[in-house]
Amino acid sequence: GDSVTQMEGPVTLSEEAFLTINCTYTATGYPSLFWYVQYPGEGLQLLLKATKADDKGSNKGFEATYRKETTSFHLEKGSVQVSDSAVYFCAPAFQGGSEKLVFGKGTKLTVNP
Amino acid sequence: DTGVSQNPRHKITKRGQNVTFRCDPISEHNRLYWYRQTLGQGPEFLTYFQNEAQLEKSRLLSDRFSAERPKGSFSTLEIQRTEQGDSAMYLCASSFGGAAFGSPLHFGNGTRLTVT
Repeated sequence: GDSVTQMEGPVTLSEEAFLTINCTYTATGYPSLFWYVQYPGEGLQLLLKATKADDKGSNKGFEATYRKETTSFHLEKGSVQVSDSAVYFCAPAFQGGSEKLVFGKGTKLTVNP
Repeated sequence: DTGVSQNPRHKITKRGQNVTFRCDPISEHNRLYWYRQTLGQGPEFLTYFQNEAQLEKSRLLSDRFSAERPKGSFSTLEIQRTEQGDSAMYLCASSFGGAAFGSPLHFGNGTRLTVT
């Protein structure tokens, strides 16, 4: 069945380090792919998205590329900041039915100065 | 765009009591979703409305849970005879169009339920 697997944390980095959070999915079709972020004490916010193969979503210095051949949507940032400390969720939306988002377990990122 | 609004922000109740949460979606959004999130986990889908019709319910939604969306506007989620295992953050989200075609879900800040 349709599912998502996300790299589990926690992840602790120093400021200006490179970040990768892995996300892979299993699907019978071609889902749209989303990354959401949850900052401490705040609600879920859309970070970026991609709707078809080879699309690159980007926002706030974060990027993720829709890789159909590897069914992946890894999140990357070249130089993290303390303000990026948050929990990040990968969430495909599979075709059919409610087209709900199916969330990964989340990866908690802490960036130290 | 005033965002998705959820009330109350926090609810503490005793086991066995009934509770009701309200969600006001973004006004032009026709799709409304309820999710539940427990500590350290990703949100889990509970149910989905398109306009006033409830079109999908998760197996997680036991018969103690009921959701409504009268007139296709705000929605309520009621939990009867609460149990300690119901303690969680209950999230509401809305969208216009299907997420599978790229329409993102917009989330409220949630209602945190604590059952003592």
